[in-house]
Amino acid sequence: SQQGEEDPQALSIQEGENATMNCSYKTSINNLQWYRQNSGRGLVHLILIRSNEREKHSGRLRVTLDTSKKSSSLLITASRAADTASYFCAPVAGGTSYDKVIFGPGTSLSVIP
Amino acid sequence: NAGVTQTPKFRVLKTGQSMTLLCAQDMNHEYMYWYRQDPGMGLRLIHYSVGEGTTAKGEVPDGYNVSRLKKQNFLLGLESAAPSQTSVYFCASSYTREGGYTFGSGTRLTVV
Repeated sequence: SQQGEEDPQALSIQEGENATMNCSYKTSINNLQWYRQNSGRGLVHLILIRSNEREKHSGRLRVTLDTSKKSSSLLITASRAADTASYFCAPVAGGTSYDKVIFGPGTSLSVIP
Repeated sequence: NAGVTQTPKFRVLKTGQSMTLLCAQDMNHEYMYWYRQDPGMGLRLIHYSVGEGTTAKGEVPDGYNVSRLKKQNFLLGLESAAPSQTSVYFCASSYTREGGYTFGSGTRLTVV
């Protein structure tokens, strides 16, 4: 199975600041995905980065991947109060058969207006 | 498109009662998953399915059973509910094993 571990567990910033959260994993991956969960809701897929990519952008989101360090980071620029949520990473293994994806406890982001 | 729909949204059970949670997706996804989420624990995989008629155990399968008789539906059953099964249950689906999961809005289950 594959499990991502997010760091920090909690992050509090002022609106307009940038937020950076990190993800570490243990084995080789095919891709790594980031998800957001607003309080009481299901997870929403944000971005997918493949193992042969080093950086990817989507709007105010920037994701980096360092496969040598088995780590990824998610940067949210110019944060808004609406970005307040928990963020999870999901490393997806390589190979031809499904390998269980276990989500970590996530990073709880609070953006203060 | 509705995406992934979970029913019911809320349920209170007495210890020992049984119930079935229904997950339905309209995206023709092959893979479907059931997770539970407890405070501070992240999401833990209960069971999953890689296609119609298949099921497999996840990280925490004990006390649960599943069925995938139709491609669009994935049912999670609790035969004899226990207070330790109080949780929020999420269903998810994906087109391939590479993920890009679409999640339902969750079922909040309380066992008293």
